Amino acid sequence: EAGVAQSPRYKIIEKRQSVAFWCNPISGHATLYWYQQILGQGPKLLIQFQNNGVVDDSQLPKDRFSAERLKGVDSTLKIQPAKLEDSAVYLCASSFSRDLFNYGYTFGSGTRLTVV
Amino acid sequence: LAKTTQPISMDSYEGQEVNITCSHNNIATNDYITWYQQFPSQGPRFIIQGYKTKVTNEVASLFIPADRKSSTLSLPRVSLSDTAVYYCLVGENNDMRFGAGTRLTVKP
Repeated sequence: EAGVAQSPRYKIIEKRQSVAFWCNPISGHATLYWYQQILGQGPKLLIQFQNNGVVDDSQLPKDRFSAERLKGVDSTLKIQPAKLEDSAVYLCASSFSRDLFNYGYTFGSGTRLTVV
Repeated sequence: LAKTTQPISMDSYEGQEVNITCSHNNIATNDYITWYQQFPSQGPRFIIQGYKTKVTNEVASLFIPADRKSSTLSLPRVSLSDTAVYYCLVGENNDMRFGAGTRLTVKP
């Protein structure tokens, strides 16, 4: 089966600019996650979708980050305006359901964002 | 959420068995334990998962004592390609969180 697709692979922007990342999960996966991974740290969950509804966005900095999954398939994560501390890898993951014990996550390769 | 503690880094040599222990003293009754592996420039990849006792698959074994306050990931006969960061996650369904992980370096 095809994996989780993410684009772009790399992005360099200046602070205060905006940027968007795209994720296409594995076909049939209802649950989609966005993670932020700062260099040397583990991934941090930003937001979780179940179909096109938000399940958990408690760690999403809502003043500058937004995400949507309008048709319950692919998703977009946006940062506006970007700060230097947003430099990180943004990982998308999907799962057949929220029952991760039986289905687990599959991660994409991520988008590496550098804010200068 | 159960907090996990792992060694920051470990070194090993090709062909050796590597054991990485994760401490999770406040694990809840419904929590299970999952290990992921991450190579540079890739997303984490599922290795193994368990609730209690021992679980084995083609890649690794997971040992969980009766009190479930810790778990040990065992990688038999590691190779250079096993150099990666290994994460221990404890939780129930979508409540799992990643810690800093253990950076394993396998030397020739």
